[in-house]
Amino acid sequence: EVQLLESGGGLVQPGGSLRLSCAASGFTFTNYAMSWVRQAPGKGLEWVSTISGGGYGTWYADSVKGRFTVSRDNSKNTLYLQMSSLRAEDTAVYYCAKVIAVAGGFFDYWGQGTLVTVSS
Amino acid sequence: DIQMTQSPSSLSASVGDRVTITCRASQGISNYLAWYQQKPGKVPNLLLYAASSLQSGVPSRFSGSASGTDFTLTISSLQPEDVATYYCQKYDIAPWTFGQGTKVEV
Repeated sequence: EVQLLESGGGLVQPGGSLRLSCAASGFTFTNYAMSWVRQAPGKGLEWVSTISGGGYGTWYADSVKGRFTVSRDNSKNTLYLQMSSLRAEDTAVYYCAKVIAVAGGFFDYWGQGTLVTVSS
Repeated sequence: DIQMTQSPSSLSASVGDRVTITCRASQGISNYLAWYQQKPGKVPNLLLYAASSLQSGVPSRFSGSASGTDFTLTISSLQPEDVATYYCQKYDIAPWTFGQGTKVEV
């Protein structure tokens, strides 16, 4: 059974940093790209970032480019999102999602999400 | 970047009604289009991919179609458990943009 468990969310001040983690199990982690998708309170889904299975390809939404860094540790089956220069508009539930292929694609499994609140 | 526009933004229908949601891409994306259902307070769930392929375990009352840059999600007979917001997503190349969502009420 595929399981994705996010952690690391919380309250952070504007301009601060936070690192999210997503522990994956139930599939061969290195064979699949992984993504982060966020959802601001009461709003729709926004794709944030994707990393290829081997970690060599990364893609970012314009809204986070230069501030967020996606990475993965395939030895630990864990996906990360390092967030810096955080803004109020980054407040959202952050979901990690498994991609159906080694690079890009749609998302067949989602974690439960972790809430990030950016506020002073 | 290619924009994905869903319509309507919300709808209300009766149990048993046929419901249609449209997603329009601003440029061609072939059939690289997925649909997700997000029930209130829940995690998004994949319904269809490749515009019309039903994900395993999804009820057959859900179907999808494509015509050029227009994509349609159809619920053939709306059920109470279909109350949710539905999102389309392009996945040809980055950015993997979502539509703004369609809220379906019964």
